[in-house]
Amino acid sequence: GAGVSQSPSNKVTEKGKDVELRCDPISGHTALYWYRQSLGQGLEFLIYFQGNSAPDKSGLPSDRFSAERTGGSVSTLTIQRTQQEDSAVYLCASSLGFTSHFGSGTRLTVV
Amino acid sequence: GENVEQHPSTLSVQEGDSAVIKCTYSDSASNYFPWYKQELGKRPQLIIDIRSNVGEKKDQRIAVTLNKTAKHFSLHITETQPEDSAVYFCAASHRDDKIIFGKGTRLHILP
Repeated sequence: GAGVSQSPSNKVTEKGKDVELRCDPISGHTALYWYRQSLGQGLEFLIYFQGNSAPDKSGLPSDRFSAERTGGSVSTLTIQRTQQEDSAVYLCASSLGFTSHFGSGTRLTVV
Repeated sequence: GENVEQHPSTLSVQEGDSAVIKCTYSDSASNYFPWYKQELGKRPQLIIDIRSNVGEKKDQRIAVTLNKTAKHFSLHITETQPEDSAVYFCAASHRDDKIIFGKGTRLHILP
């Protein structure tokens, strides 16, 4: 596609439920990032995939968070047993070499 | 690993005046320094970048300078306009390595 696509754009879930957020990177981009952005805050790094290398999971805030990248393309971020503090915008970005391109994000609200 | 510090966290300037945002980085191997602009409710978008073989780059009203020795780089916006109001993020990386973002600067352009 023309850009990084994320779905859903909005997700409201009940506390304790699991959610899956999807990212379709730009075709051919080897690097993929997930970030979390709370209202008015900066970009909190979550996880980084680069080609076939083991992912850098150093930013995942707890073991309730996990991510996969299948076939070096689509990525899914899973949050288990969601908590109210998980409410935020989850941004995905992809790159080939230097420049990162961001998706529009998924706004997650946990009620 | 790389660490990027960004200052100030908030900046207010009169319309028509100049704005300067400064960043420092820690890893001397970093050789790519992009700047992203995030308008309210939108995704971060690349506005300008510089590589370490260049000391300054300009694009209309925005310019970036890089001091490799001191490991700092700056964004300069001249003749500021209301549409420049946004959050600006600096970042540092080298090819195929994880990009590291600063915490962002919220720029307010005052009428």
